[in-house]
Amino acid sequence: QKEVEQNSGPLSVPEGAIASLNCTYSDRVSQSFFWYRQYSGKSPELIMSIYSNGDKEDGRFTAQLNKASQYVSLLIRDSQPSDSATYLCAVGSYNQGGKLIFGQGTELSVKP
Amino acid sequence: DAGVTQSPTHLIKTRGQQVTLRCSPKSGHDTVSWYQQALGQGPQFIFQYYEEEERQRGNFPDRFSGHQFPNYSSELNVNALLLGDSALYLCASSLVPSQALRYTFGSGTRLTVV
Repeated sequence: QKEVEQNSGPLSVPEGAIASLNCTYSDRVSQSFFWYRQYSGKSPELIMSIYSNGDKEDGRFTAQLNKASQYVSLLIRDSQPSDSATYLCAVGSYNQGGKLIFGQGTELSVKP
Repeated sequence: DAGVTQSPTHLIKTRGQQVTLRCSPKSGHDTVSWYQQALGQGPQFIFQYYEEEERQRGNFPDRFSGHQFPNYSSELNVNALLLGDSALYLCASSLVPSQALRYTFGSGTRLTVV
């Protein structure tokens, strides 16, 4: 079992729709959870971080964390073609120092 | 405020050669981590440097080594290059421990081994 798992996609949604990206992780002591956006040929860009159970909203983005289910998700409302990218879920634990464990990424395509 | 700077941006090496990649962290950051991202995969942790020492290491062979300088910049060295070392190498900086693992990534070095 991979430590952090994501559906590789591609996930295709029409412009204006809600895109839902999911991630599961195996290490129960994980404490920090991140979503990065990576455009083709570019480096990852941090878009959301979440540390406690529940929802965290930032503009069109909402991160959801359920530690009991070891599940974290990212919702993108009013999806735009510019949101088309690969979204990486990353998980970290202070017990493991500064190491982040990434999923393989989900490719999102927003169609005009 | 300069972000994380990596050099070179691209390079091509031959199997068996050695390569050195460089990273300057974001201003105010003192910790540098290196990640390898193969095509179509998520980044994989190589190692982290703090106070000029390797603090943590991922599942990479000893061919991968690094260094951190007093100004917090860092180098990643890879010896005896293999075709499988072809990847995007990412440097990420942070301020430990207050930044709660919030890394800033550089633009990466694309290494191609032929």
